[in-house]
Amino acid sequence: EDQVTQSPEALRLQEGESSSLNCSYTVSGLRGLFWYRQDPGKGPEFLFTLYSAGEEKEKERLKATLTKKESFLHITAPKPEDSATYLCAVQAPGSQGNLIFGKGTKLSVKP
Amino acid sequence: GAVVSQHPSWVICKSGTSVKIECRSLDFQATTMFWYRQFPKQSLMLMATSNEGSKATYEQGVEKDKFLINHASLTLSTLTVTSAHPEDSSFYICSARVAGVKSTQYFGPGTRLLVL
Repeated sequence: EDQVTQSPEALRLQEGESSSLNCSYTVSGLRGLFWYRQDPGKGPEFLFTLYSAGEEKEKERLKATLTKKESFLHITAPKPEDSATYLCAVQAPGSQGNLIFGKGTKLSVKP
Repeated sequence: GAVVSQHPSWVICKSGTSVKIECRSLDFQATTMFWYRQFPKQSLMLMATSNEGSKATYEQGVEKDKFLINHASLTLSTLTVTSAHPEDSSFYICSARVAGVKSTQYFGPGTRLLVL
């Protein structure tokens, strides 16, 4: 069964304290791994798509990496405005682009 | 680019009434649109997938007669919650993508539904 597991469920950081979020997945034939950011009461905001192991993408303080079994979202020197829930999702093969979501990691960055 | 809007952003209705939620892709043509439901502190749960001009495909456990989906054009999909009950209160989010293997789903801002 296709599955996505994110850890930790919640992460509290001090401003400037770098860390990583983990997304482990099992899917037969990965078509893409997606990272989204979701603020309370809002829809997910697209961050990155990764398609193959070894691929990396960066955006400001965020960097996403991908292996055959997991993806990491590295946050360098986070700021309070980076506080949000980060969602990981995989696209299953043979679908219409359906995404399988993990439960998310709630990140809190304190000043 | 890749903006998806939803209307209304929140709605309160009485039990037994029907509510329609619109999802629009503003700057691209969406061959496929998705409807999700999200309960507090939980992740997104896919309800149904719709392609323009076709019947929607519903996920297991989602009542298609209760959650009517229409995808009349490449930029508009609607979700109608019929005979709403308090247990239908939730956060409904749509997303849209263009055709293609390497295509991203872009999400709308969500609609908060409260059924009294």
